[in-house]
Amino acid sequence: EPEVTQTPSHQVTQMGQEVILRCVPISNHLYFYWYRQILGQKVEFLVSFYNNEISEKSEIFDDQFSVERPDGSNFTLKIRSTKLEDSAMYFCASTAGGSREQYFGPGTRLTVT
Amino acid sequence: AQSVTQLGSHVSVSEGALVLLRCNYSSSVPPYLFWYVQYPNQGLQLLLKYTSAATLVKGINGFEAEFKKSETSFHLTKPSAHMSDAAEYFCAVSDEDSNYQLIWGAGTKLIIKP
Repeated sequence: EPEVTQTPSHQVTQMGQEVILRCVPISNHLYFYWYRQILGQKVEFLVSFYNNEISEKSEIFDDQFSVERPDGSNFTLKIRSTKLEDSAMYFCASTAGGSREQYFGPGTRLTVT
Repeated sequence: AQSVTQLGSHVSVSEGALVLLRCNYSSSVPPYLFWYVQYPNQGLQLLLKYTSAATLVKGINGFEAEFKKSETSFHLTKPSAHMSDAAEYFCAVSDEDSNYQLIWGAGTKLIIKP
Protein backbone atom coordinates (compact mmCIF):
# COMPACT_ATOMS: atom_id res chain seq x y z
CA GLU A 1 0.00 0.00 0.00
CA PRO A 2 1.43 3.42 -0.92
CA GLU A 3 2.51 5.57 1.98
CA VAL A 4 3.97 8.95 2.78
CA THR A 5 7.57 8.78 3.90
CA GLN A 6 9.60 11.34 5.83
CA THR A 7 13.29 11.72 6.49
CA PRO A 8 15.00 11.99 8.83
CA SER A 9 12.98 10.47 11.63
CA HIS A 10 14.86 12.60 14.16
CA GLN A 11 16.90 15.73 13.59
CA VAL A 12 18.89 17.53 16.25
CA THR A 13 20.17 20.98 15.38
CA GLN A 14 21.57 24.03 17.10
CA MET A 15 19.64 27.25 17.38
CA GLY A 16 20.18 29.45 14.34
CA GLN A 17 20.97 26.59 11.99
CA GLU A 18 19.00 25.81 8.87
CA VAL A 19 17.15 22.51 8.61
CA ILE A 20 15.40 20.81 5.73
CA LEU A 21 12.77 18.22 6.44
CA ARG A 22 11.99 15.90 3.59
CA CYS A 23 8.81 14.18 2.56
CA VAL A 24 7.86 11.90 -0.28
CA PRO A 25 4.08 12.09 -0.75
CA ILE A 26 2.01 9.36 -2.34
CA SER A 27 2.78 9.45 -6.04
CA ASN A 28 -0.60 10.36 -7.55
CA HIS A 29 -1.50 12.90 -4.89
CA LEU A 30 -1.81 16.56 -5.77
CA TYR A 31 -2.18 18.39 -2.46
CA PHE A 32 0.57 18.48 0.12
CA TYR A 33 0.63 19.72 3.68
CA TRP A 34 2.93 20.30 6.62
CA TYR A 35 1.71 20.19 10.19
CA ARG A 36 3.56 20.34 13.46
CA GLN A 37 2.88 19.05 16.93
CA ILE A 38 4.76 20.52 19.86
CA LEU A 39 5.17 17.91 22.58
CA GLY A 40 1.95 17.54 24.53
CA GLN A 41 0.03 19.98 22.36
CA LYS A 42 -2.42 19.78 19.50
CA VAL A 43 -1.50 19.32 15.87
CA GLU A 44 -1.20 22.65 14.06
CA PHE A 45 -1.50 23.38 10.37
CA LEU A 46 1.51 25.06 8.81
CA VAL A 47 1.05 25.18 5.07
CA SER A 48 -0.69 23.61 2.10
CA PHE A 49 0.76 23.32 -1.38
CA TYR A 50 -0.94 22.68 -4.68
CA ASN A 51 0.06 23.14 -8.30
CA ASN A 52 3.58 24.19 -7.31
CA GLU A 53 2.56 27.00 -5.04
CA ILE A 54 1.43 27.64 -1.51
CA SER A 55 -2.36 27.63 -1.34
CA GLU A 56 -2.76 28.40 2.35
CA LYS A 57 -0.47 29.09 5.30
CA SER A 58 -0.95 29.70 8.98
CA GLU A 59 0.42 32.45 11.21
CA ILE A 60 3.11 30.04 12.33
CA PHE A 61 4.48 29.82 8.80
CA ASP A 62 6.48 33.03 8.84
CA ASP A 63 9.44 34.14 6.73
CA GLN A 64 11.68 31.60 8.42
CA PHE A 65 9.74 28.78 6.78
CA SER A 66 9.62 27.79 3.14
CA VAL A 67 8.41 24.81 1.16
CA GLU A 68 9.50 23.41 -2.11
CA ARG A 69 8.73 20.59 -4.47
CA PRO A 70 12.12 20.38 -6.16
CA ASP A 71 11.27 17.40 -8.33
CA GLY A 72 8.30 15.18 -9.04
CA SER A 73 8.53 13.26 -5.80
CA ASN A 74 9.96 15.25 -2.90
CA PHE A 75 8.25 17.91 -0.82
CA THR A 76 10.49 19.78 1.58
CA LEU A 77 10.06 22.12 4.53
CA LYS A 78 12.96 24.45 5.26
CA ILE A 79 13.44 26.39 8.44
CA ARG A 80 16.05 29.04 7.79
CA SER A 81 17.22 29.87 11.28
CA THR A 82 15.83 27.52 13.88
CA LYS A 83 14.63 28.66 17.28
CA LEU A 84 14.16 26.65 20.43
CA GLU A 85 10.40 26.89 20.00
CA ASP A 86 10.63 25.14 16.63
CA SER A 87 11.26 21.89 18.49
CA ALA A 88 8.31 19.71 17.55
CA MET A 89 7.19 16.74 15.53
CA TYR A 90 6.64 17.75 11.93
CA PHE A 91 4.18 15.77 9.85
CA CYS A 92 3.84 15.78 6.11
CA ALA A 93 0.53 14.79 4.55
CA SER A 94 -0.83 14.38 1.05
CA THR A 95 -4.19 13.83 -0.57
CA ALA A 96 -5.48 13.12 -4.05
CA GLY A 97 -8.25 15.68 -3.81
CA GLY A 98 -9.04 18.46 -1.41
CA SER A 99 -11.97 16.83 0.31
CA ARG A 100 -10.46 13.43 0.73
CA GLU A 101 -8.58 12.16 3.72
CA GLN A 102 -5.00 13.21 4.15
CA TYR A 103 -2.41 10.51 4.48
CA PHE A 104 0.28 11.27 7.02
CA GLY A 105 3.91 10.38 7.15
CA PRO A 106 5.46 9.05 10.37
CA GLY A 107 6.84 12.48 11.25
CA THR A 108 10.23 14.03 11.85
CA ARG A 109 11.07 14.91 15.41
CA LEU A 110 13.04 18.17 15.35
CA THR A 111 15.01 19.06 18.45
CA VAL A 112 16.60 22.49 18.58
CA THR A 113 19.25 22.94 21.27
CA ALA B 1 -13.54 30.24 11.17
CA GLN B 2 -13.50 26.59 11.96
CA SER B 3 -12.75 25.17 15.34
CA VAL B 4 -12.83 21.78 17.00
CA THR B 5 -13.47 21.07 20.65
CA GLN B 6 -12.73 17.74 22.21
CA LEU B 7 -14.24 17.41 25.65
CA GLY B 8 -11.86 15.74 28.08
CA SER B 9 -8.11 15.64 27.60
CA HIS B 10 -8.10 12.18 29.25
CA VAL B 11 -10.77 9.51 29.21
CA SER B 12 -10.39 6.35 31.24
CA VAL B 13 -12.54 3.25 30.67
CA SER B 14 -12.34 -0.35 31.76
CA GLU B 15 -11.50 -3.04 29.24
CA GLY B 16 -14.75 -4.22 27.68
CA ALA B 17 -16.61 -1.00 28.48
CA LEU B 18 -18.08 1.49 26.02
CA VAL B 19 -15.73 4.11 24.66
CA LEU B 20 -17.16 7.56 23.97
CA LEU B 21 -14.89 10.38 22.86
CA ARG B 22 -16.59 13.69 22.22
CA CYS B 23 -15.99 16.11 19.39
CA ASN B 24 -17.85 19.30 18.55
CA TYR B 25 -17.00 21.49 15.63
CA SER B 26 -17.86 24.81 14.11
CA SER B 27 -17.87 25.42 10.41
CA SER B 28 -19.77 27.89 8.26
CA VAL B 29 -20.02 25.49 5.33
CA PRO B 30 -20.58 21.74 5.11
CA PRO B 31 -17.63 20.18 6.86
CA TYR B 32 -15.57 17.11 6.36
CA LEU B 33 -14.82 15.45 9.67
CA PHE B 34 -12.12 13.02 10.64
CA TRP B 35 -10.90 11.02 13.57
CA TYR B 36 -7.21 10.17 13.70
CA VAL B 37 -5.43 7.96 16.21
CA GLN B 38 -1.86 8.38 17.39
CA TYR B 39 -0.17 5.54 19.21
CA PRO B 40 2.83 6.43 21.40
CA ASN B 41 5.78 7.65 19.35
CA GLN B 42 3.99 7.04 16.10
CA GLY B 43 2.36 9.09 13.37
CA LEU B 44 -1.29 9.87 12.72
CA GLN B 45 -3.54 7.15 11.38
CA LEU B 46 -6.99 7.77 9.97
CA LEU B 47 -9.70 5.98 11.92
CA LEU B 48 -12.70 7.20 9.97
CA LYS B 49 -14.08 10.13 8.05
CA TYR B 50 -17.37 11.87 7.29
CA THR B 51 -17.63 13.43 3.85
CA SER B 52 -21.38 14.12 3.46
CA ALA B 53 -22.53 10.59 2.76
CA ALA B 54 -23.95 8.40 5.53
CA THR B 55 -24.13 10.14 8.89
CA LEU B 56 -23.06 7.00 10.75
CA VAL B 57 -19.53 6.22 9.75
CA LYS B 58 -17.72 3.00 10.51
CA GLY B 59 -13.98 2.97 10.80
CA ILE B 60 -11.16 0.63 11.57
CA ASN B 61 -10.69 -1.32 14.79
CA GLY B 62 -14.43 -1.36 15.56
CA PHE B 63 -14.79 2.40 15.96
CA GLU B 64 -17.66 4.40 14.58
CA ALA B 65 -18.84 8.00 14.70
CA GLU B 66 -22.12 9.74 14.03
CA PHE B 67 -22.39 13.13 12.39
CA LYS B 68 -25.15 15.17 14.01
CA LYS B 69 -25.59 18.46 12.24
CA SER B 70 -28.11 19.82 14.76
CA GLU B 71 -25.63 19.27 17.58
CA THR B 72 -22.51 20.06 15.49
CA SER B 73 -21.03 16.89 16.88
CA PHE B 74 -19.04 13.95 15.63
CA HIS B 75 -18.52 11.74 18.67
CA LEU B 76 -16.42 8.59 18.41
CA THR B 77 -17.62 5.36 19.96
CA LYS B 78 -16.62 1.76 20.34
CA PRO B 79 -18.88 -0.76 22.09
CA SER B 80 -16.13 -2.65 23.89
CA ALA B 81 -12.71 -1.24 24.71
CA HIS B 82 -9.58 -3.27 24.21
CA MET B 83 -6.20 -2.68 25.80
CA SER B 84 -4.76 -2.01 22.36
CA ASP B 85 -7.07 1.01 21.99
CA ALA B 86 -4.95 3.00 24.42
CA ALA B 87 -3.76 5.95 22.37
CA GLU B 88 -4.45 9.60 21.70
CA TYR B 89 -7.41 10.41 19.50
CA PHE B 90 -7.74 13.58 17.47
CA CYS B 91 -10.83 14.98 15.84
CA ALA B 92 -10.27 17.24 12.83
CA VAL B 93 -12.42 19.29 10.47
CA SER B 94 -11.83 20.67 7.02
CA ASP B 95 -13.93 22.48 4.46
CA GLU B 96 -13.74 24.08 1.07
CA ASP B 97 -13.42 27.59 2.47
CA SER B 98 -10.08 26.80 4.04
CA ASN B 99 -8.67 24.81 1.14
CA TYR B 100 -9.27 21.63 3.10
CA GLN B 101 -6.53 22.22 5.64
CA LEU B 102 -7.22 20.16 8.72
CA ILE B 103 -8.12 22.04 11.88
CA TRP B 104 -7.47 19.85 14.89
CA GLY B 105 -8.93 19.33 18.29
CA ALA B 106 -6.60 19.20 21.26
CA GLY B 107 -6.79 15.43 21.44
CA THR B 108 -8.11 12.98 23.99
CA LYS B 109 -5.87 10.41 25.57
CA LEU B 110 -7.77 7.16 25.99
CA ILE B 111 -6.66 5.08 28.97
CA ILE B 112 -7.83 1.50 29.27
CA LYS B 113 -8.00 -0.03 32.72
CA PRO B 114 -7.58 -3.81 32.96
